[in-house]
Amino acid sequence: QSALTQPPAASGSPGQSVTISCTGTSSDVGGYDYVSWYQQHPGKAPKLIIYEITKRPSGVPDRFSGSRSGNTASLTVSGLQAVDEADYYCSSYAGSKAIFGGGTRLTVL
Amino acid sequence: EVQLLESGGRLVQPGGSLRLSCAASGFTFSNYGMTWVRQAPGKGLEWVSVISGSGGSFYYADSVKGRFTISRDNSNNTLYLQLNRLRAEDTAVYFCAKDLEEQWLGPVAMEDYWGQGTLVTVSS
Repeated sequence: QSALTQPPAASGSPGQSVTISCTGTSSDVGGYDYVSWYQQHPGKAPKLIIYEITKRPSGVPDRFSGSRSGNTASLTVSGLQAVDEADYYCSSYAGSKAIFGGGTRLTVL
Repeated sequence: EVQLLESGGRLVQPGGSLRLSCAASGFTFSNYGMTWVRQAPGKGLEWVSVISGSGGSFYYADSVKGRFTISRDNSNNTLYLQLNRLRAEDTAVYFCAKDLEEQWLGPVAMEDYWGQGTLVTVSS
């Protein structure tokens, strides 16, 4: 399978909401509930912010939420803050492997 | 506190070999699957491989299958990745990461703790 498809960039002003999409196929995003989202700040390791489509690890603010419709998963960041400016990656189980999206750079204007 | 510390990255010639290590602490290592993810300079994340807590199950990305081998030493809380027949496109920072759940789920890419990575450069 190829990488999942994400928009390369997204932006929003502080306090606004932004949604990032992640499009796959019925063999990955649409076929299994193992969709995750990671946040990565420059020079840092990725951080898990959403798993199993909608769940948040402890310590992750409820401003981050996940959903799925068909073969497309989405990450919504509400109440944007400057600290949310980072790269975001989706990932999915894809049978005998996992795959990542190409990443979305979120800019807080 | 969970800590993961990768080592072993260096400059290597095309066709060469390398072994990466990831020393783990702060959790019961043998209870968790462990994953390797890489990131080429300025590029996105690429899932590489995962191994179960016992070491008996493992999976690989198509791009490394047959060239890379994942393993673990539960007595020393260490994860390994053997890289053989290296290519220029293997140049990346290699991260090790701990699976979120104790239950072995396979390659589901749910990792809650990550190391800081080790850089592998493949060049002549």
